[in-house]
Amino acid sequence: AQTVTQSQPEMSVQEAETVTLSCTYDTSESDYYLFWYKQPPSRQMILVIRQEAYKQQNATENRFSVNFQKAAKSFSLKISDSQLGDAAMYFCAYRSAGNQFYFGTGTSLTVIP
Amino acid sequence: DTGVSQDPRHKITKRGQNVTFRCDPISEHNRLYWYRQTLGQGPEFLTYFQNEAQLEKSRLLSDRFSAERPEGSISTLTIQRTEQRDSAMYRCASSLGPGNEAFFGQGTRLTVV
Repeated sequence: AQTVTQSQPEMSVQEAETVTLSCTYDTSESDYYLFWYKQPPSRQMILVIRQEAYKQQNATENRFSVNFQKAAKSFSLKISDSQLGDAAMYFCAYRSAGNQFYFGTGTSLTVIP
Repeated sequence: DTGVSQDPRHKITKRGQNVTFRCDPISEHNRLYWYRQTLGQGPEFLTYFQNEAQLEKSRLLSDRFSAERPEGSISTLTIQRTEQRDSAMYRCASSLGPGNEAFFGQGTRLTVV
């Protein structure tokens, strides 16, 4: 079965600085998709960024970018120029083609003013 | 269509009672997921539909849980003979197809007293 591991339960970053959240996953599949979701205190789930495994180029979305290392099964999220509104729980998620999503246990990010 | 909607938003029930939650996905999305989330944890997969067919159900799910999506649109999740350990946030999500992100509803918070 696929598993997603987020080894950092909590992280903190100074406002305007950069922080990287780590995620590793275990799979025997070659075709899959990876996502980072943000869950603010409102507990809504908001998509931050997605990555197709067949693409070698790392996805970027404004201040958010990923470092996707397929061989290492690693999918880290980098947040640049951190803002107070970035404070939230961040969940890494894996999805095989057409199937369910598997989520990590989350990383709680604190942004220090 | 503004997104995935769930109702009720909150449900308090006595142990042993049955509860039913409703999910209205984004209209063109053929995939629908139910997840359970407890505080400080990532969403835990419960079950998954493609159109009206229930394709997968978590082995962790007891026989007290059942879900339906009879017309391939709105789905219901029913918990029979609720127990205190069923207290959690129940989230519905929908997606369009393979590789697409899941869009989450705001969830139904269940408290079993």
